Amino acid sequence: QVQLRESGPGLVKPSEILSLTCTLSGGSIASHYWAWIRQAPGKGLEWIGYIYYTGSTRYNPSLNNRATISIDRSKKFFSLGLGPMTAADTAVYFCARGSSSGSAYLWGPGAQVFVAS
Amino acid sequence: QSGLTQPPSASGTPGQRVAISCSGSGSNLGSNTVTWYQQLPGSAPRILIFDTTQRPSGVPDRFSGSKSGTVASLAISGLQSEDEADYYCAAWDDSLGGHVVFGGGTKLTVL
Repeated sequence: QVQLRESGPGLVKPSEILSLTCTLSGGSIASHYWAWIRQAPGKGLEWIGYIYYTGSTRYNPSLNNRATISIDRSKKFFSLGLGPMTAADTAVYFCARGSSSGSAYLWGPGAQVFVAS
Repeated sequence: QSGLTQPPSASGTPGQRVAISCSGSGSNLGSNTVTWYQQLPGSAPRILIFDTTQRPSGVPDRFSGSKSGTVASLAISGLQSEDEADYYCAAWDDSLGGHVVFGGGTKLTVL
């Protein structure tokens, strides 16, 4: 059974860089798009960006180049770097497997990230 | 940056049919397919519909999707109590290099 799981710090300070990892189990990282999506408390979903297994990326322009997504095909994980962080970046961060059109077919359970000093 | 527009809430009684709308523009729904997600409280979203009308395996055929121009719709027939959830539409937007936009979400209440 294919599963995704996010990992990373639950708390970061303002102005720091967030680093999250999504680990894939039970499947191949090849031939898929791998996305990050977040949800602020009580708010809707916001697409952060995705990476194809070859390394090509697309990002949400509203993040103003603050996000970087990378992939390690040999170790079957992909990562999100986001910063500098502000309180507005407090959210649950989801990783997902999807398609080029942006559909997300398989989601991780999510990782809560708080931004506070 | 503009996303997709959904009504904040919808409701229905068990057995009823309800529809949730999603309005966009020419650069997203007017040019690309729509995806619908269901999010139960405290859970990650689950895909319900992709490519506007397609259901992944395991999604009941009570859920159906459609689109006309820049407006998409998710219909749920034979409403059940377990359908009470938040529903989100999403689509690729061709502007600004291409990115995904989401609707604000619709909270469905089963009365």
